[in-house]
Amino acid sequence: SSELTQDPVVSVALGQTVRITCQGASLRTYYANWYQQKPGQAPVLVIYGKNYRPSGIPDRFSGSSSGDTGSLTITGAQAEDEGDYYCNSRTGSGNFPFVFGGGTKLTVL
Amino acid sequence: EVQLMQSGTEVKKPGESLTISCKGSGYSFTDYSIGWVRQMPGKGLEWMGIIYPGDSDTRYSPSFQGQVTISADTSISTAYLQWSSLKASNTAMYYCAKSRGPASDAFDIWGQGTLVIVSS
Repeated sequence: SSELTQDPVVSVALGQTVRITCQGASLRTYYANWYQQKPGQAPVLVIYGKNYRPSGIPDRFSGSSSGDTGSLTITGAQAEDEGDYYCNSRTGSGNFPFVFGGGTKLTVL
Repeated sequence: EVQLMQSGTEVKKPGESLTISCKGSGYSFTDYSIGWVRQMPGKGLEWMGIIYPGDSDTRYSPSFQGQVTISADTSISTAYLQWSSLKASNTAMYYCAKSRGPASDAFDIWGQGTLVIVSS
């Protein structure tokens, strides 16, 4: 299957740790990349590959993988981390190589 | 600074044609793929297709195959997304994004988005 499944809504208390997951068969072979999107803004890459952060992304963001699930962890969530998070990866099949997850809306309480 | 600059908001009528653009700067345009992503109002991100400007290799997501045309002009470092006959359901924000590497599945630079409104 080329689908990636995310929980639609996740919440976290300010300063606590939250894990956002992305599940799909292709993640047994490929890593998930993670994007943050705030209202009215373009997506921003926050984690790619095994666990790499682009320049400027705080180190409270980290990535991991286990079986068919990729995870984005925010350790010590801040108010500015509120937004939508999307995973993407390769499909591993078909003519088109990439797929997005459905997105997770993160609320920081 | 590496940037993707997209063309501005478009308001069109059903049946009209449209081309929107995405101009890359600050990097070698031919060495990285450009992907196009649709975001309908209040919805998630959807891959439409990608182009590798270096050899014009273009792939379309099955949902968009035959619905749009993706192209690039390397002489002006610009990628294009084209519709021949718009529908109301094409109303959405469209983003272009640059791959981290020639064959990377991570897209590290995004355009600001082009809002397309199709209404009679």
